[in-house]
Amino acid sequence: GENVEQHPSTLSVQEGDSAVIKCTYSDSASNYFPWYKQELGKRPQLIIDIRSNVGEKKDQRIAVTLNKTAKHFSLHITETQPEDSAVYFCAASKEGTGRRALTFGSGTRLQVQP
Amino acid sequence: DTEVTQTPKHLVMGMTNKKSLKCEQHMGHRAMYWYKQKAKKPPELMFVYSYEKLSINESVPSRFSPECPNSSLLNLHLHALQPEDSALYLCASSQELVSSYEQYFGPGTRLTVT
Repeated sequence: GENVEQHPSTLSVQEGDSAVIKCTYSDSASNYFPWYKQELGKRPQLIIDIRSNVGEKKDQRIAVTLNKTAKHFSLHITETQPEDSAVYFCAASKEGTGRRALTFGSGTRLQVQP
Repeated sequence: DTEVTQTPKHLVMGMTNKKSLKCEQHMGHRAMYWYKQKAKKPPELMFVYSYEKLSINESVPSRFSPECPNSSLLNLHLHALQPEDSALYLCASSQELVSSYEQYFGPGTRLTVT
């Protein structure tokens, strides 16, 4: 089955700096890669996603890049703010194959210091 | 309505009790999911329903019994649970369209088994 590895497990940055979180996946058939943000005691919230036919996607301060050959994808947050502090999970799935199951990475705890 | 709702928010039950978790969505999504999330861990898939039919069971013990009475409702029946089953139980839903893969999570039910 799919295996997703995520690094780092914790990340502390100063407000205004950039943060980068990296994930690798094992199954070359995976074609959908979402990122979720989970604040303490709250639900995972989809913040951005990318499909395998796209190399990069950006939404304001958040961007995701995908390298299919190397089987890795990354989340980039620019101009970080204290409200960006949360646990971020990457995930992978094989959409369109009848197996709509997300495999999550282990999570990154991001702390933005004011 | 663009939300997945779950009840109850918190549940404490003994090992001999029978209880049920409820999930509801009115976004017209035809795929619904149960995930289990332990503290400081990513969500783990338990079950997937597609068009009210169980399509994935991730080898979950029979003390967890899912039910999908209609396209908007998903239940998880609990019986004879163990203390290690204490966790946050998350419901999610998504469309069953090739063009739309996003999964949206409910707020979860925090279950404590005593």
